[in-house]
Amino acid sequence: GAGVSQSPRYKVAKRGQDVALRCDPISGHVSLFWYQQALGQGPEFLTYFQNEAQLDKSGLPSDRFFAERPEGSVSTLKIQRTQQEDSAVYLCASSALRSEQFFGPGTRLTVL
Amino acid sequence: SQQGEEDPQALSIQEGENATMNCSYKTSINNLQWYRQNSGRGLVHLILIRSNEREKHSGRLRVTLDTSKKSSSLLITASRAADTASYFCATKSNFGNEKLTFGTGTRLTIIP
Repeated sequence: GAGVSQSPRYKVAKRGQDVALRCDPISGHVSLFWYQQALGQGPEFLTYFQNEAQLDKSGLPSDRFFAERPEGSVSTLKIQRTQQEDSAVYLCASSALRSEQFFGPGTRLTVL
Repeated sequence: SQQGEEDPQALSIQEGENATMNCSYKTSINNLQWYRQNSGRGLVHLILIRSNEREKHSGRLRVTLDTSKKSSSLLITASRAADTASYFCATKSNFGNEKLTFGTGTRLTIIP
């Protein structure tokens, strides 16, 4: 497909479990972003990659959150020892350098 | 944390009427963007206005930007049922950071 894809679309985890969320950006897009959107709120920035380099991770809420993009394409957001406050929609976006961001459909994470 | 605030939080209008929503932000910006989000779907980019622009049009959309007041407005003319969605403003800062800072959103309902 031509757009940003994310998997899984829905994830239910028990408190304390680790989860991994995947993002496939638009082919050729240099920049990749992760955002967290709580219910009824706007998205909040988590982290940003330019190619494989993680240039900004200031939005990651704790050291339980880790993101990688080892080959400068697909990215994975990992959350260790999930807690109920991690429940949210996780959005991935990609863009050409300094250009419009295109968003994926998101992964809805529910931590029980 | 969210930078922007949108006003109103929710808006219901009759089909065919115009809808206006406002956004305020706090810091110096490079540009301001508006996004639409339908239930269960990702964010769709609507329009971008740069900090040196005051007004921009795209189809039925009109955006204004007042950098002295740190505010923007989005006008949707001749509304349609398909315009029912949440609308978010997002700012890109002037400090070389590529991330977007989103507002809290306006939930727009068009009544057929």
